[in-house]
Amino acid sequence: AQKITQTQPGMFVQEKEAVTLDCTYDTSDQSYGLFWYKQPSSGEMIFLIYQGSYDEQNATEGRYSLNFQKARKSANLVISASQLGDSAMYFCAMILNSGGSNYKLTFGKGTLLTVNP
Amino acid sequence: DAGVTQSPTHLIKTRGQQVTLRCSPKSGHDTVSWYQQALGQGPQFIFQYYEEEERQRGNFPDRFSGHQFPNYSSELNVNALLLGDSALYLCASSLWRGPRWGPIQYFGAGTRLSVL
Repeated sequence: AQKITQTQPGMFVQEKEAVTLDCTYDTSDQSYGLFWYKQPSSGEMIFLIYQGSYDEQNATEGRYSLNFQKARKSANLVISASQLGDSAMYFCAMILNSGGSNYKLTFGKGTLLTVNP
Repeated sequence: DAGVTQSPTHLIKTRGQQVTLRCSPKSGHDTVSWYQQALGQGPQFIFQYYEEEERQRGNFPDRFSGHQFPNYSSELNVNALLLGDSALYLCASSLWRGPRWGPIQYFGAGTRLSVL
């Protein structure tokens, strides 16, 4: 069974600085996908970025980048130039790309990011 | 382009009652998944519907059931409500991207269910 671990319950960052949110995963499968979602207080889960296990380059989406280290089984999210609107809960999640379970997202417990002005 | 919409936004029920939650997927998506998110936790996968059939299921009892309609919208039904069913229920829709990659799931804002 797969597992996602987020060891930082909360993080603080100054506006305009960069911040790294940690995520480690555990699976014996070779084919999987890693996701980061943002959840503001409104509740909606907002998709940020995706990394496939076969992708050789780290994924980037605007101010978001995913630092994928396959040997260490880590998939850290880097947010550059933090903005006040980035304050939210951030979840790391994984799917296994097998036919029987490739819609089942497994989530970590999340990291609450607070951006200070 | 409308995103994933869920209704109602909030719901209060008492133990033993039954509840139905509704979800309309993002335009162009044909697959709907449901998740339960307890307070302070990450979402837990309940089940996924495609072509009006349940295709994958998480570790939830049979009290949790669902349905998908021909227009791809979906309902989540929970019978014999327990206090522990109080949670945010999230619906996600997705688009198949190919066999090597799992689909990206886009979520609605959820239905917050309180069981008293």
